[in-house]
Amino acid sequence: EPEVTQTPSHQVTQMGQEVILRCVPISNHLYFYWYRQILGQKVEFLVSFYNNEISEKSEIFDDQFSVERPDGSNFTLKIRSTKLEDSAMYFCASSERVWGSYNSPLHFGNGTRLTVT
Amino acid sequence: EDQVTQSPEALRLQEGESSSLNCSYTVSGLRGLFWYRQDPGKGPEFLFTLYSAGEEKEKERLKATLTKKESFLHITAPKPEDSATYLCAVQARGGSEKLVFGKGMKLTVNP
Repeated sequence: EPEVTQTPSHQVTQMGQEVILRCVPISNHLYFYWYRQILGQKVEFLVSFYNNEISEKSEIFDDQFSVERPDGSNFTLKIRSTKLEDSAMYFCASSERVWGSYNSPLHFGNGTRLTVT
Repeated sequence: EDQVTQSPEALRLQEGESSSLNCSYTVSGLRGLFWYRQDPGKGPEFLFTLYSAGEEKEKERLKATLTKKESFLHITAPKPEDSATYLCAVQARGGSEKLVFGKGMKLTVNP
């Protein structure tokens, strides 16, 4: 069964450094997402991406965050200057489409655990 | 603001002991309610989508139901491999694509 793959599985970085988290969505999917889960807390929406642009972003997704689809397969999340509070599990997800009252479910990757020291 | 509350936060069952998990939601028009399963160190795995009150979906020992205010995930005769955290999420009408998740319910099934 097709799956969303994320690399690396664990990233340790120092405060103030830039990190890039990578994702390969399911190949026929058109919508891409990043969510994060701070330890012990809810899974939170960060951003959605469709047709090579951000379609929606949360309050968390401030200027230090950016997303990119550099080629036909990869989808990346960049954090420019990491803070301690960015430590979390970051999940990439993809879905086929969102239209009318029918939703294609989101399929999640296994996440990248980001530790900022 | 859209909200999802799951109860109980944790549940221990003996193998074969059926139970139900509750997901209460407040949303400005429900577009869909989603159930996911999450194993330790893994991403959420899709189980069901429910769209309207009265709808039911089944998969093996799991059955999800939906009312206008809550959803239940019924687990019939669970096995140890059903042990996981079960997440409920809602998506609102009005153009927003985001899923709003509850905190999850950690289920442990003892043999």
